[in-house]
Amino acid sequence: QVQVVQSGGEVKKPGASVKVSCKASGYSLRSFYMHLLRQAPGQGPEWMGIIDTIRGTTTYAQKFKGRVAITRDESTNTVYMVLSSLTFEDTAVYYCARDIGEESRGPGFAWFDPWGQGTLVTVSS
Amino acid sequence: QAVLTQPPSASGTPGQRVTISCSGSRSNIGSNIVNWYQQFPGTAPKLLIYSSNERPSGVPARFSGSKSGTSASLAISGLQSEDEADYYCAAWDDNVNGWVFGGGTKLTVL
Repeated sequence: QVQVVQSGGEVKKPGASVKVSCKASGYSLRSFYMHLLRQAPGQGPEWMGIIDTIRGTTTYAQKFKGRVAITRDESTNTVYMVLSSLTFEDTAVYYCARDIGEESRGPGFAWFDPWGQGTLVTVSS
Repeated sequence: QAVLTQPPSASGTPGQRVTISCSGSRSNIGSNIVNWYQQFPGTAPKLLIYSSNERPSGVPARFSGSKSGTSASLAISGLQSEDEADYYCAAWDDNVNGWVFGGGTKLTVL
């Protein structure tokens, strides 16, 4: 079945970087854009960015520009997200989510389905 | 602080109808579709309503969505115990050029 399978949890020190992987399963990565989001404890999801999986182009939320990089490897059907200069406030569950939408109708005519199972990133000294 | 405003909690008894509101502005809900996600503790969010009022296959018909102006609502009729979860609304925001979410509503079935 269609799913997004993410890498396992990570524990990092402040100032370090973390890499999260998201493997598309049951469908071709090229067929859909992929979003990256995160959810801090007790809060709603927060959108981080999106990758056009064909062109490899990205759009990032202003908050994360300069600190996040989303890439893809078509040969392994996998998207990667690297978040650098980690602080305690980056402790969260990070999610990948497939984009379902109509590009011709603009970026807002879309929804996220399915989501990956999540990757817990803990920043601790 | 979430951009979209939801009540932090809602409750109802089995069989009742419950609505959850989501308030935004012209740049997000007022100009774009609204999606709703359901999340159980320790699991990933799941798409519940898309394009403001459409249900994905497999979502029971007792879940419905609506949108008017800069607000949206999720209605659950015939409430069941398994509906106890967190619910989030989301929309694209033309001002920030990104997706914004509500803070979530925790639904309790009494």
